[in-house]
Amino acid sequence: AQRVTQPEKLLSVFKGAPVELKCNYSYSGSPELFWYVQYSRQRLQLLLRHISRESIKGFTADLNKGETSFHLKKPFAQEEDSAMYYCALRRNYGQNFVFGPGTRLSVLP
Amino acid sequence: EAGVTQFPSHSVIEKGQTVTLRCDPISGHDNLYWYRRVMGKEIKFLLHFVKESKQDESGMPNNRFLAERTGGTYSTLKVQPAELEDSGVYFCASSQEAGRNNEQFFGPGTRLTVL
Repeated sequence: AQRVTQPEKLLSVFKGAPVELKCNYSYSGSPELFWYVQYSRQRLQLLLRHISRESIKGFTADLNKGETSFHLKKPFAQEEDSAMYYCALRRNYGQNFVFGPGTRLSVLP
Repeated sequence: EAGVTQFPSHSVIEKGQTVTLRCDPISGHDNLYWYRRVMGKEIKFLLHFVKESKQDESGMPNNRFLAERTGGTYSTLKVQPAELEDSGVYFCASSQEAGRNNEQFFGPGTRLTVL
């Protein structure tokens, strides 16, 4: 069965500090990995996906198949990055997501 | 474009009552998904429509839940009778096609409270 874990429920960092939100997954095949973000009073929105290998809002994530991880990183956190972050796995195109429990990132001034 | 819309935004009902949630996907999106997050748990998949057909309903918790998508446009999710453990946020998402680059766009969710 597929599973996504995010070990930190809450992560607090100071503005300008580096941030890393951890995500590990279990799946025997080759999944697609995503990060979704939900800002206060807004809907869930896609932040980035591993196949596009791009940086969005300064965030990057690299899929490490050996460690089955897809950690989200940003070198300098901003206050507007405060939000709930969900790591998600998709088995195949068009299939549903399996979400992790989410990590609430709080960037302090 | 309004994006995916859901109605109501919040529903409070008593145990044993019936509630119907509605989702309007982005126009032209054939794929429609229902998810929910119950208190303290992760967001979990319920089912997936392709147009009006149920592609995958493996996540539906029990037969108290009934989803429909008549005409392949909007979808409804009915809970009858509602139980306390059904409380949570119900999300709907839609995507244009089941291709490699398809993105699921989420609605704002319906918060269901069962008393």
